[in-house]
Amino acid sequence: DADVTQTPRNRITKTGKRIMLECSQTKGHDRMYWYRQDPGLGLRLIYYSFDVKDINKGEISDGYSVSRQAQAKFSLSLESAIPNQTALYFCATSDSGISNQPQHFGDGTRLSIL
Amino acid sequence: GENVEQHPSTLSVQEGDSAVIKCTYSDSASNYFPWYKQELGKRPQLIIDIRSNVGEKKDQRIAVTLNKTAKHFSLHITETQPEDSAVYFCAARGSYIPTFGRGTSLIVHP
Repeated sequence: DADVTQTPRNRITKTGKRIMLECSQTKGHDRMYWYRQDPGLGLRLIYYSFDVKDINKGEISDGYSVSRQAQAKFSLSLESAIPNQTALYFCATSDSGISNQPQHFGDGTRLSIL
Repeated sequence: GENVEQHPSTLSVQEGDSAVIKCTYSDSASNYFPWYKQELGKRPQLIIDIRSNVGEKKDQRIAVTLNKTAKHFSLHITETQPEDSAVYFCAARGSYIPTFGRGTSLIVHP
């Protein structure tokens, strides 16, 4: 089945380390997104990309960067991790299509920064 | 930008009762309203969506209603079952990206 795959699923690291979270998809979608989920705060958008040459900041992009290496791959980096970046991170994809299309989420990466 | 408010944050019901979750949005240009269900430890998954040219949509025990004039939309779950227990997110999308509500934790007691 076509899917959205995130690696790693869990990561524990120390303050100041550089971390990369990866997302790949076999759905053939052109749009990809990174979200952060914290209890009671819902899903907050970090970055999104509508094609390989397109990168856009979301509402909470400070401290994060992204790379769209190919249509199927979108990675999220924390250049110097800090404890308040401890959260559950989701990658999502959607199809531009003709009309509005829903998003399809990966299984998430649980990141803990000590 | 778009602002989506979702209520209640927690909803506790007995099995067989109905559950209603409400969302309001601010951008009158929003025209697509999906609802996602997230079970514990799992990914959010689309359960139903509605577009602005429709006032109501049903799929078995779930339904969504949209009032564009008042800028609110609601999720209705009838005959709730324990497996309906999850966090539910609404979203509104006008331009290119959706804005999510903060989620409602639905607990269905057997």
